[in-house]
Amino acid sequence: QVQLVESGGGVVQPGRSLRLSCAASQFTFSDYAMHWVRQAPGKGLEWVAIISFSGNQEYYADSVKGRFTISRDNSKNTLYLQMNSLRPDDTALYYCARAITTPDYWGQGTLVTVSS
Amino acid sequence: QSALTQPRSVSGSPGQSVTISCTGSSSDVGDYNYVSWYQQHPGKPPKLMIFDVSKRPSGVPDRFSGSKSGNTASLTISGLQADDEGDYHCCSYAGRYTVFGGGTKVTVL
Repeated sequence: QVQLVESGGGVVQPGRSLRLSCAASQFTFSDYAMHWVRQAPGKGLEWVAIISFSGNQEYYADSVKGRFTISRDNSKNTLYLQMNSLRPDDTALYYCARAITTPDYWGQGTLVTVSS
Repeated sequence: QSALTQPRSVSGSPGQSVTISCTGSSSDVGDYNYVSWYQQHPGKPPKLMIFDVSKRPSGVPDRFSGSKSGNTASLTISGLQADDEGDYHCCSYAGRYTVFGGGTKVTVL
């Protein structure tokens, strides 16, 4: 069964940085593009970013463009999200998800809280 | 990158059918046959119920069906059951981005 385990969340002050990780297993990680999707408390899902299977293409939501960077290490079966210049409205549960164009399998999420 | 539009809530009695709409634009739903639907129970991650507009992953009951007409996709749940209660999210591929709807709360009366 596909497994995706996010880590790296926590409480951070506005303007600071945080890096999330997503460890993938039980599938060939290097064959799939990967998404990051977030969900603010009590709200709907918001797409954040996608990276191609090889890592040479990345696309971002307008709300995070220029602040967040998605990357991957296929040798470690791990996906990353570097988040800089964090704002209170970035507070959310961050999910990584495997891509079949849109997401299919999702992790359990890691909570990021941006607060002073 | 505007969010897709879903009704805030729908409800039905056990055994009835409910349909959730998901309206986008000619840049997303209308341009690609890559619409997915997810079920989400409280405190859980989303679960894929429909992909590529109308395909069901293995293990998803055939009570769940998807369709699309123009810029609007729809999810129909037939023979409503208590466990179907939860939030449902639509999602569309749109080339250089992916977009979700605001979510619909399904209540089983």
